[in-house]
Amino acid sequence: QKEVEQNSGPLSVPEGAIASLNCTYSDRGSQSFFWYRQYSGKSPELIMSIYSNGDKEDGRFTAQLNKASQYVSLLIRDSQPSDSATYLCAVNRLQEYGNKLVFGAGTILRVKS
Amino acid sequence: DTEVTQTPKHLVMGMTNKKSLKCEQHMGHRAMYWYKQKAKKPPELMFVYSYEKLSINESVPSRFSPECPNSSLLNLHLHALQPEDSALYLCASSQGMIGIRGNQPQHFGDGTRLSIL
Repeated sequence: QKEVEQNSGPLSVPEGAIASLNCTYSDRGSQSFFWYRQYSGKSPELIMSIYSNGDKEDGRFTAQLNKASQYVSLLIRDSQPSDSATYLCAVNRLQEYGNKLVFGAGTILRVKS
Repeated sequence: DTEVTQTPKHLVMGMTNKKSLKCEQHMGHRAMYWYKQKAKKPPELMFVYSYEKLSINESVPSRFSPECPNSSLLNLHLHALQPEDSALYLCASSQGMIGIRGNQPQHFGDGTRLSIL
C-alpha cells in the first residue's frame, strides 16, 4: 500500500461542474494535509491546507478531512478550463528528525468548455 | 511569480561539468528543501535543511552536494551527473520542520529544469 494514494485520472468534468478529488493516506499519525496544483511544466502551487477534521473553504475550493477514515478530498466548485492541471495531495509524515512531506502521484483534472 | 526564487531556470550540462543551482527566500522561513521531479511523477525529497543544518538526506548520491550558506540561501552543487539525473529540481521553504512549525506548508520555487547530455 502506498503511503498516499490518489486516482491518477484523468478526471474529466464539464465547465461549471463540481470536481471531486480524493486522497487516502496510511500514517495515522499524520497531522497536516495539503493540496497542490501543478500545471504542466510548472512547479507545485499550494492551494489548500487542512489540519482538523471537517471542511475548510477558500473561494471555489473546499478541502475535507476525515482522520478516522484517513481520507482527504478537494472539491472545486464552478470548475473552469483554467483549473485543468495535476492536483497533488501531500501529507506530513512525522519522523525522528522532523516532518517530511509525502506526495501522492497526483490526479489529472480536465475541465472541458 | 513565487516568493522562492531559483536560478537558473534552465541548465544544460555535460556529465563532466560542475554547476550549481541556487535558491533564495526572504519569508523568514527556517526550513529549506530540495526536491527532484521527473516527468509525470510527484516531487521526491532529496535534502532538508533546518536552521541552516542538514536534517534529512534521502540517500542521495554524492554527486549532489547541498549547501546552506545562511537562512535565506540554499545551493545544490552538481558534479559528474548522469543522464538519468535530468529532471526538474525544485526548492521549497517552510516556517519550520519540527513540532507545530513543521506543520506549516511548503512553498515551492519555479524550479530549474536540468538536462544532462
